[in-house]
Amino acid sequence: GAVVSQHPSWVICKSGTSVKIECRSLDFQATTMFWYRQFPKQSLMLMATSNEGSKATYEQGVEKDKFLINHASLTLSTLTVTSAHPEDSSFYICSASNRGGYNEQFFGPGTRLTVL
Amino acid sequence: EDKVVQSPLSLVVHEGDTVTLNCSYEVTNFRSLLWYKQEKKAPTFLFMLTSSGIEKKSGRLSSILDKKELFSILNITATQTGDSAVYLCAGAPGSARQLTFGSGTQLTVLP
Repeated sequence: GAVVSQHPSWVICKSGTSVKIECRSLDFQATTMFWYRQFPKQSLMLMATSNEGSKATYEQGVEKDKFLINHASLTLSTLTVTSAHPEDSSFYICSASNRGGYNEQFFGPGTRLTVL
Repeated sequence: EDKVVQSPLSLVVHEGDTVTLNCSYEVTNFRSLLWYKQEKKAPTFLFMLTSSGIEKKSGRLSSILDKKELFSILNITATQTGDSAVYLCAGAPGSARQLTFGSGTQLTVLP
């Protein structure tokens, strides 16, 4: 149980385009989903926390207009990188927390974004 | 600001060796400490520790938490090449669900 999927697993796009990444909890209801970003050889940096049906809470330094997060249902959250630039190239990982596991987060497999 | 510090940053050992990875934390309203293993993709969950002094074990891996010293260790005995990965620890506060991650320990196990 507690499986989280992400789609796509990798994406290459041109500078200036927008990219949408989906995060789904497959076998549980995720009241809270988290979006992380990870650069090579660095740890996970929390970008934002999203609760179903409400606006996401962004960490300091993360542009909310650039990284649009939607958590419309208990099983789906999306991250849209708008007007992507090469510096946005990174590994984006989502995680989900279910009602029962207060702190335990289940991670998706990640999405590798490369902006040319 | 919450902070989690891991040491060493990297470690190279030979198969069969035992390793100890360290994690110290400063987390407001601390609730639990989590360990994850990250290979090429996203982290996979290893342990969640909430109480001091109670060792959690899973095969060759074990972990323990010291809430007085704000410290946790992850032990791996009889290491194998498949244990090569980045090991992350994360502190979780009680009032919210955000995790604060350490920088990770890169473990390399040589045959």
